[in-house]
Amino acid sequence: AQSVAQPEDQVNVAEGNPLTVKCTYSVSGNPYLFWYVQYPNRGLQFLLKYITGDNLVKGSYGFEAEFNKSQTSFHLKKPSALVSDSALYFCAVRESGYNKLIFGAGTRLAVHP
Amino acid sequence: SQTIHQWPATLVQPVGSPLSLECTVEGTSNPNLYWYRQAAGRGLQLLFYSVGIGQISSEVPQNLSASRPQDRQFILSSKKLLLSDSGFYLCAWSRTRTSYEQYFGPGTRLTVT
Repeated sequence: AQSVAQPEDQVNVAEGNPLTVKCTYSVSGNPYLFWYVQYPNRGLQFLLKYITGDNLVKGSYGFEAEFNKSQTSFHLKKPSALVSDSALYFCAVRESGYNKLIFGAGTRLAVHP
Repeated sequence: SQTIHQWPATLVQPVGSPLSLECTVEGTSNPNLYWYRQAAGRGLQLLFYSVGIGQISSEVPQNLSASRPQDRQFILSSKKLLLSDSGFYLCAWSRTRTSYEQYFGPGTRLTVT
């Protein structure tokens, strides 16, 4: 069965420092991996995806994520955090042949001035 | 470009009353459509998804139902609301033959009193 784990409920980072939000997954086939961001009382916004190819994927707002097949991870990163990056972040996985995404529980990112 | 609409944005309903939430997508045809519920600003629970008109898959047994009367219209309904139905309801769409990232609407905040 497909599953996604986001091991941290909250990540705290100082503005200007690099940030990492962790995600690990479990699928039986090739994974399609996604990151979303949610601001309070808003819908989820798509940030980036990994389908195939280069393991380092670049997305919106300066975010990037690294696919690591051996560690079954897809961590979200940004070189320099902004206060405006504070939000709830979701990792998701889709297994080939399925119509559904499986979402992690979410990680709250707090960037402090 | 594609746009997804949800209404109403907020709704306060008494226990036992009916519910109808509507979602429409513009700028694409034959999308996959999804209804999620998010409780307490955290994880997403997939309620229903649809791959075509009249085709509904239910993920969680409950007192909610979904219908897709038109290609780009997805409706979430209940005959009698429960207190536990309170939450943030999100509609999403995805293309049918690509990488399956989903795009979310702005959401409906439902409070059952």
